Amino acid sequence: DGGITQSPKYLFRKEGQNVTLSCEQNLNHDAMYWYRQDPGQGLRLIYYSQIVNDFQKGDIAEGYSVSREKKESFPLTVTSAQKNPTAFYLCASKRQGQVTEAFFGQGTRLTVV
Amino acid sequence: DAKTTQPTSMDCAEGRAANLPCNHSTISGNEYVYWYRQIHSQGPQYIIHGLKNNETNEMASLIITEDRKSSTLILPHATLRDTAVYYCIVTRTSGSARQLTFGSGTQLTVLP
Repeated sequence: DGGITQSPKYLFRKEGQNVTLSCEQNLNHDAMYWYRQDPGQGLRLIYYSQIVNDFQKGDIAEGYSVSREKKESFPLTVTSAQKNPTAFYLCASKRQGQVTEAFFGQGTRLTVV
Repeated sequence: DAKTTQPTSMDCAEGRAANLPCNHSTISGNEYVYWYRQIHSQGPQYIIHGLKNNETNEMASLIITEDRKSSTLILPHATLRDTAVYYCIVTRTSGSARQLTFGSGTQLTVLP
């Protein structure tokens, strides 16, 4: 079945360590997105990518980095420069240029101690 | 980008219709209205979208005003499992992928 997969579901890291969150999709979607969600808040856009080897900063990109070497994959690295990394991270993908919906993964809950 | 305004929270009795409003007064002619919902600690789920005509699917109905400045999502017979945060967004099909931005949404609580 086609879908979008995030792993792991829960992740714990020590402060000061970089951590990479995985996002894979087999929907052949061009656009992929990373969002951050804090308790009781909406989704805030971190990075997005419209095509392989290209990505753009969203509203809260500081302290994060991404890559898009393959169409299927859009990993997010939370660096030590991110002041408040503990959050729920959501990845999404969408077919560009058509009236279609975005598909979301089930999220990764990152806790930094 | 067109912005959306939604009430922070709403309650609805189980079995009744839930009507969730959304204002998008700056919507432009090529922007669609999309609705998603997010059940606690899960990824958002697509519900429905429309341009200017009213739309209905197995999950909900979408009513868009004639001037397109507001819309209402209708869940005809709300169940406890419909308790979620509902997001209204407007987005173009072309242009930057950045168009897919979410606000704070409406927390719908279905009461038994």
